[in-house]
Amino acid sequence: SAVISQKPSRDICQRGTSLTIQCQVDSQVTMMFWYRQQPGQSLTLIATANQGSEATYESGFVIDKFPISRPNLTFSTLTVSNMSPEDSSIYLCSVISTGGYEQYFGPGTRLTVT
Amino acid sequence: AQTVTQSQPEMSVQEAETVTLSCTYDTSESDYYLFWYKQPPSRQMILVIRQEAYKQQNATENRFSVNFQKAAKSFSLKISDSQLGDAAMYFCAYRGSNFGNEKLTFGTGTRLTIIP
Repeated sequence: SAVISQKPSRDICQRGTSLTIQCQVDSQVTMMFWYRQQPGQSLTLIATANQGSEATYESGFVIDKFPISRPNLTFSTLTVSNMSPEDSSIYLCSVISTGGYEQYFGPGTRLTVT
Repeated sequence: AQTVTQSQPEMSVQEAETVTLSCTYDTSESDYYLFWYKQPPSRQMILVIRQEAYKQQNATENRFSVNFQKAAKSFSLKISDSQLGDAAMYFCAYRGSNFGNEKLTFGTGTRLTIIP
């Protein structure tokens, strides 16, 4: 399985500001995803990060709020823009390795918005 | 749309005993994949076991095994010889097999407590 790192691991941010989360994989992967896990809840897919093109967003998530970049096959960023306390969640990056079908997850970023 | 249901919000088991976590799902697809993930307090999502729907044989990984009943759309996880390190949230997840349908749909999770 791929080794996935995320930065930062946690952050406390003020309302109205933005935070960019980085996801780095140690090998080239076919697909990268961003999930949100609100407190005490399950995981919900935000978007699929497409290499070299615009991300594909799930219903209820928009690019202006969650812009995503994926400049190459091993790196992606998720920005949480104009944050409000409702954005307090764990944000997780996941990948599907080349030739596989399982999804592996990064360690997550715990975001608290005050 | 696919849905995944975990009807047991919490479960507990004595150390060294066996516990079964339930999961049902709804889909119109004939080919798909099912997974169990473990999330300890560290919040890291760990893949425990996976099952391809086209395989009749139930998957096993050491102390973890599944009971996959395709007709009933049921996918339960059995943990044998429970250990303290098994304490975590367990999530059942579904994904389709077609290109463009790789996203995971998760259940609401079951919190497993191990009693020493």
